[in-house]
Amino acid sequence: LAKTTQPISMDSYEGQEVNITCSHNNIATNDYITWYQQFPSQGPRFIIQGYKTKVTNEVASLFIPADRKSSTLSLPRVSLSDTAVYYCLVGEGGSGNTGKLIFGQGTTLQVKP
Amino acid sequence: EAGVAQSPRYKIIEKRQSVAFWCNPISGHATLYWYQQILGQGPKLLIQFQNNGVVDDSQLPKDRFSAERLKGVDSTLKIQPAKLEDSAVYLCASSFTGHHQETQYFGPGTRLLVL
Repeated sequence: LAKTTQPISMDSYEGQEVNITCSHNNIATNDYITWYQQFPSQGPRFIIQGYKTKVTNEVASLFIPADRKSSTLSLPRVSLSDTAVYYCLVGEGGSGNTGKLIFGQGTTLQVKP
Repeated sequence: EAGVAQSPRYKIIEKRQSVAFWCNPISGHATLYWYQQILGQGPKLLIQFQNNGVVDDSQLPKDRFSAERLKGVDSTLKIQPAKLEDSAVYLCASSFTGHHQETQYFGPGTRLLVL
């Protein structure tokens, strides 16, 4: 089971680019890296998922180096509404088909005006 | 597309009382999950259903927690009797097939306070 490590908290200002790095040294060959976002009083929401190199969608980019032992979630030009907790998850791996998500503490991003 | 519905949104009970939470997943989603999220922590999976069968309940405290999904659609999670440490947000999520690392869609949660 791959464990993830990410910063507990980060501060930023509106309009800046925010990069949150997650470490997952024990990632398995067939694991994907997934990021979820959680606002207060809401359930987590899927942001982005990737396997290698770079993935981009309308919300964020995900950068994964060749060794896949870490990944970086990039949020371009953040606004106050991006203040939330961001979770990095790595799949359970192996041949399991349970879809289990193992959440860590996440990174609390505070965007200031 | 309607999201995952949960009720009630808030519940306050005294310890040793019982409580039940209800979840209606996204239409067509075969897999349903119940998570417990204690303040300041990430969600922890309690139980996973595939249609009306249990796939994983390894972290469900079975002496006091129970869950069912009788018709393979909506689900209830019950706590009886409740303890102070059960104070948390109970999140329900669903996914289309439940396959490995498939996107899960979460409801707003039920916030439980046990006094």
